[in-house]
Order: sequence, then C-alpha cells, then structure tokens
Amino acid sequence: AQSVTQPDIHITVSEGASLELRCNYSYGATPYLFWYVQSPGQGLQLLLKYFSGDTLVQGIKGFEAEFKRSQSSFNLRKPSVHWSDAAEYFCAVGAGSSASKIIFGSGTRLSIRP
Amino acid sequence: SAVISQKPSRDICQRGTSLTIQCQVDSQVTMMFWYRQQPGQSLTLIATANQGSEATYESGFVIDKFPISRPNLTFSTLTVSNMSPEDSSIYLCSAGGLAGVGTDTQYFGPGTRLTVL
Repeated sequence: AQSVTQPDIHITVSEGASLELRCNYSYGATPYLFWYVQSPGQGLQLLLKYFSGDTLVQGIKGFEAEFKRSQSSFNLRKPSVHWSDAAEYFCAVGAGSSASKIIFGSGTRLSIRP
Repeated sequence: SAVISQKPSRDICQRGTSLTIQCQVDSQVTMMFWYRQQPGQSLTLIATANQGSEATYESGFVIDKFPISRPNLTFSTLTVSNMSPEDSSIYLCSAGGLAGVGTDTQYFGPGTRLTVL
C-alpha cells in the first residue's frame, strides 16, 4: 500500500539558515510526489510536484526538492529560510489513476528562530 | 490555478445536529474531493465527489454520516450528520482536473473549522 513518512514532527531553524525536510514514500510504481505548505489558519498551498524527468524540482518561494528513487525519498530544501516560512509542511504521494488520490504524510512543523 | 472558497469558515455546533459545508471553485473541474484534518493530524481523504453520480467513499467513511452532493462542475457540499465531539476537525475541499492543468494537481480550499460541543 502507498504511504508517506515524514520522520521529523517539529524542526526549528534560525532565520537565514538552510533547511531540509525529510520525506520517504512507499509506492509500487513511479510515484507522483508533492510538497504542500499549510500556514496557520490557511488552506494547503502546493509548493512543488514531481512526476517524471529531472529529479531536482524547483518550486515556489525558493523551495526545491530532489527525488531519489534508490532511497525512496523526496526531501524538501531551501537555502535560506525566512520568518514567513514558519508553517506545517506536508509531503504527499499521488495514487490511483492520474494520481487523483493523494496520500499525505503526517507533516513537519517548521519554526523559525529569530 | 483554481481559487476555492468554502462556507462556513468555522462553526460551533451541538452534538446530534448536522452541518452542511459548501465548496465553490472558480473554474470547472472534473474532480472534487473532501478531506478531514483532525486536531494536530494530517489530512485524510473522506470521499471523491463525482458529478452526476454518487460519491466514492474511502474506508472508514460512510454516506449516511457524510452525505455529499456535486450538482455541477464547480460546486460540492459535504454534510456532517448527527455530529459528536469526535467530528471536531478541519474539513477541506480540493479540486483537480482543471483545464490545462490536468488531474494530477489538486488545489485546496481554506478549510472549515468545526467544533462540536
């Protein structure tokens, strides 16, 4: 069965520092992979997605993610975080036809230290 | 992208009552979904709202508890019936299959925060 694991429940980084959020997935075929961000009181916003092609994916707000099939990972990175990046981040895998069914990880809460 | 609105944004309800949540998309979409996010938890898919036919429910969710309507390509409703405190959650609507974007990307509404007393 498809699943997504985000091993870090909560991460705190200093403003201006680099960030890496971990995500591992379990899926039988080539996965559709997503990162979403949920700011307090807000809905989910798509940061980036991977379906095929270049394994390094660029997203919005300066985020990128790298698909590593050998490690079943899709980690999210940002070279320098801003206080406004404080939010909950969800990794997700698309299952079913056309990835219409999304399975979410448990989320990682990011706090920014001034 | 698509802009999705939900009404109400939040509500406090008494146990045993029902609440209907509306989801409106600013473009025609082929697919609409309803998710539940319990406090401090991730999102769980409740059902896929199918236009012109009955919704498809995920394991653990039933039509009697969560009836769904989808009368056209831009609108859907989710009713939480006979509520109990365990139904206190954020309910999110999403849409996929936007023209020119495809079915593999979903856009989410802001959610409805429900508290059941």
